[in-house]
Order: sequence, then C-alpha cells, then structure tokens
Amino acid sequence: EDKVVQSPLSLVVHEGDTVTLNCSYEVTNFRSLLWYKQEKKAPTFLFMLTSSGIEKKSGRLSSILDKKELSSILNITATQTGDSAIYLCAVNFGNEKLTFGTGTRLTIIP
Amino acid sequence: GAVVSQHPSRVICKSGTSVKIECRSLDFQATTMFWYRQFPKQSLMLMATSNEGSKATYEQGVEKDKFLINHASLTLSTLTVTSAHPEDSSFYICSASKLAGGYNEQFFGPGTRLTVL
Repeated sequence: EDKVVQSPLSLVVHEGDTVTLNCSYEVTNFRSLLWYKQEKKAPTFLFMLTSSGIEKKSGRLSSILDKKELSSILNITATQTGDSAIYLCAVNFGNEKLTFGTGTRLTIIP
Repeated sequence: GAVVSQHPSRVICKSGTSVKIECRSLDFQATTMFWYRQFPKQSLMLMATSNEGSKATYEQGVEKDKFLINHASLTLSTLTVTSAHPEDSSFYICSASKLAGGYNEQFFGPGTRLTVL
C-alpha cells in the first residue's frame, strides 16, 4: 500500500527561526511529490518535485527531493507568524491520484 | 489561471437529509475531478475520482451509494451525501486536474464544511 508520512506532526517555534519539515514515502510507482500549505480552507500549492537533488525555491521557502532516501524536506527560513499553517506533503504514484501525508502543524510564536 | 469553486462553502443539515455539493472549474475544462474528505486535525483522504461522462471510481471503504458523484460536464462535478448522519460531518474538498507544464496538476476548491445535526 502506498504511504506518505510526515514529521514532526506538530512544531512550535519563535518568529525568525528556521524550520525543516520532513516527508517520507513508500511507493510502487513514484511520479512526483508536492507540498501544500493549508490555513483555514483548502490547500494552496507550494512546490512540485520530480527530480532528485534539485532544490526548488520560492522566497523564504525551499524544498528538495531525495529519491534514494524516498524523502523530501521543506525548509522555511526567517519564519513569520503568517507561516503558521498545516503543511501537507502529497505523492503522485503515477495514476493522477494524490496520497497525502499526515501533515505538520506549524505554529510561529511572535 | 486555474480556479476551482465549490458551493456551498458551509452547510448545516438535519440527520437523514441529503446534501449536494458542487465543484466547478471556472476557467478550464477538467476531465478528471477528485473528492477528498478531511476530518478535524487529520489529513485529506481521497474519496473518489470523477471522470466526465463515466462512473466515479471510489476508494476502498467509501460507500458509493452514500456518496453519489456525478460528473455531468467538463466543468462540473457534484457530490451528494445521501441520508447524512453526524459522523458525515467533515470538510469536503474537490480538486480539478489540468495539464500544466507537461503534468496533470490538481487545483483545489475552497472546500465545503458540512455539519450534520
């Protein structure tokens, strides 16, 4: 069974800190890994990763995939209170369907 | 752009009634739409894959007679929760698939919060 696991489940840090969120997967037919940010409503897209070792960056957020380790990390530097959200990792196993991880609830304390 | 809308955004109903949720792709045609359910403090769980003009494919454990899906056009899919019970209370999210940059990317609707009394 395809499976996606995120860690930590919950993280509380102070504004300005840097955080690293983890996502690992067990897969039969990996196609891509996606990161989403969810605040009060539906998830908003952050990154899609398909190739190992290539960092994707958007402002203070960056992400990289390691296909050998079957994992990905999402980094957020100089965190702000607006970064407080649930961060979801999802994997596309080649059939268009996304399997979501458990999510990491990130709280930034001012 | 790729905008997906859902209606209603919030619904409260009595136990035993049926509720219909609409999912529309506003500026693109989506041959495939997906329906997810999210319980409080949990992740999104795929319920079913909806293809235009054909029967939906349900995930294991999802009752197809309870969650009726109709994908009548390339821009509209509906989910009907029949004979809703309090345990069906959840956040229902749809997504629509669009070919972008060589990949089928999913664009999510804003979600519908269902509360069954």
